[in-house]
Amino acid sequence: AQRVTQPEKLLSVFKGAPVELKCNYSYSGSPELFWYVQYSRQRLQLLLRHISRESIKGFTADLNKGETSFHLKKPFAQEEDSAMYYCALSAVDSNYQLIWGAGTKLIIKP
Amino acid sequence: EADIYQTPRYLVIGTGKKITLECSQTMGHDKMYWYQQDPGMELHLIHYSYGVNSTEKGDLSSESTVSRIRTEHFPLTLESARPSHTSQYLCASSDQGGRNIQYFGAGTRLSVL
Repeated sequence: AQRVTQPEKLLSVFKGAPVELKCNYSYSGSPELFWYVQYSRQRLQLLLRHISRESIKGFTADLNKGETSFHLKKPFAQEEDSAMYYCALSAVDSNYQLIWGAGTKLIIKP
Repeated sequence: EADIYQTPRYLVIGTGKKITLECSQTMGHDKMYWYQQDPGMELHLIHYSYGVNSTEKGDLSSESTVSRIRTEHFPLTLESARPSHTSQYLCASSDQGGRNIQYFGAGTRLSVL
């Protein structure tokens, strides 16, 4: 069965420091991976997906099939990046339902 | 404007009451979902629908039911609310195409006393 693991429930870094939120998945086929973000008092929303290979709000994520990872990175954290971040996987075996990680709360300290 | 609407935003009710959480979308999407999420915790899929007259149970066992009589409307009903139902309920939709991006409503925060 597919699974998404976000090993850190909480990650706290200083403003201006690099950020890496980890996401590992288990799936033998070709998944589609997503990062969703939930800012305080706002809706859960898509941040980026691996197919797009784009940078959103300075964040990037590369799908590493060898390590089955899809870590989210930003070189210089900003205070407005503080939020809950969820990694999710979509695959044909799960009928393209999203399989969600438990989420990581990112706190950017001033 | 295309959006997903959830009402009510907050609901406090007593045990044993029947409640319906409303979800409507003007996104033109066929797929709709209900998730249960405690604040800051993971999402649990409780129901989903691929279109009119299609409803399926998700991974999380739930005592709720859903209906999909119209494409844009996907209400969730609890016949007899209990304190264990206290949580946040998120409605989402996505199109049938390959993008599979889910768009979320603002959520309903339910407290059962």
